Amino acid sequence: EAGVAQSPRYKIIEKRQSVAFWCNPISGHATLYWYQQILGQGPKLLIQFQNNGVVDDSQLPKDRFSAERLKGVDSTLKIQPAKLEDSAVYLCASSGYRGSYEQYFGPGTRLTVT
Amino acid sequence: GEDVEQSLFLSVREGDSSVINCTYTDSSSTYLYWYKQEPGAGLQLLTYIFSNMDMKQDQRLTVLLNKKDKHLSLRIADTQTGDSAIYFCAERGLPGSARQLTFGSGTQLTVLP
Repeated sequence: EAGVAQSPRYKIIEKRQSVAFWCNPISGHATLYWYQQILGQGPKLLIQFQNNGVVDDSQLPKDRFSAERLKGVDSTLKIQPAKLEDSAVYLCASSGYRGSYEQYFGPGTRLTVT
Repeated sequence: GEDVEQSLFLSVREGDSSVINCTYTDSSSTYLYWYKQEPGAGLQLLTYIFSNMDMKQDQRLTVLLNKKDKHLSLRIADTQTGDSAIYFCAERGLPGSARQLTFGSGTQLTVLP
């Protein structure tokens, strides 16, 4: 079974530029999560999708971050414009159903904003 | 809000047991998890425990839960160099609830030869 795929693995941009990350969850998984992991901290949930609908985006900085999952499969997370404090690893995870206890994580995208 | 605390570092000798501790604040935590993160990789679920359990054993891993003290521990028996990683404790509420996974800051386990 293929795992959660993410790209790119690394990205370096200057502040005020835009960036987008892509995630392909495990086939058949209805729930998709985006997390931000700042160095030395645990992951923090940014947004959760159930199929193509948003379940929770309470911690997403909506003035600069956006995410979509148009067909209920792949998802894109965008930052526009980026700030220095957005430097982090962005992790995507998926689970089989909303109540599932297990989330499967992708390898993450390491973003450096200079 | 929910808070999960862990010590930052732990060093053990190869072959010894490792014990990683975690405390949490929310008494409504339903599931408690241990994740492992190796350098450059995502998080791997190691094990989890439901809040009505005191202990769970899975091969070299033993999870102990003291719900009264809101204390969770992970014991790794016969620790190997491949166990060197960051270990995250996490908790969540009831499945389907609005309570999402809340992670601690992670414990860096170093296994010395």
